[in-house]
Amino acid sequence: DAKTTQPPSMDCAEGRAANLPCNHSTISGNEYVYWYRQIHSQGPQYIIHGLKNNETNEMASLIITEDRKSSTLILPHATLRDTAVYYCIVRVSITGKSTFGDGTTLTVKP
Amino acid sequence: GAVVSQHPSRVICKSGTSVKIECRSLDFQATTMFWYRQFPKQSLMLMATSNEGSKATYEQGVEKDKFLINHASLTLSTLTVTSAHPEDSSFYICSALQTSEGHNEQFFGPGTRLTVL
Repeated sequence: DAKTTQPPSMDCAEGRAANLPCNHSTISGNEYVYWYRQIHSQGPQYIIHGLKNNETNEMASLIITEDRKSSTLILPHATLRDTAVYYCIVRVSITGKSTFGDGTTLTVKP
Repeated sequence: GAVVSQHPSRVICKSGTSVKIECRSLDFQATTMFWYRQFPKQSLMLMATSNEGSKATYEQGVEKDKFLINHASLTLSTLTVTSAHPEDSSFYICSALQTSEGHNEQFFGPGTRLTVL
């Protein structure tokens, strides 16, 4: 699975959009980009995934660059409950095997 | 999304004893489950892939005789930490793979906090 690079930490004001970047320059054509988050002492929670196109669901939006070498997770209106470690993972869908990097600790401040 | 449960959520045991952790997919069948371990302030580390009806595949550096994995049914995988020692104290997380419409999705359990005294 391709390696990802994320900033170690970010702050965001409550109610503002949180934009979390991820670099995955060695991604292969059949690898998806997945985002999970982990709130303290809980299991990771699935947020969103995509292959080439931008995606949006009730939690977030995922913007993938045209060359697929990077992506951005957008939480449109961050709340205090969005404070968590966010992991960007690239993997082949069929294996399901996710390798976690260090992630980005997002702190949403009032 | 699909639900994965773990039992127990917390366990404290004495050094030298064995501890079994269960991982269940509650509303779907999972031929493949994964076991992760997470130390404080660190990321999740994949320990092994559990396949229903066959032997688990362990990641490099993980002792298969110490961390016994059994995936006897399509909804249950168990991890047994044998002869546990304080250095085995960690947060153990499982995940189950759900296949739908040709796409595999991974759902995680809430984790089990193991403390070995």
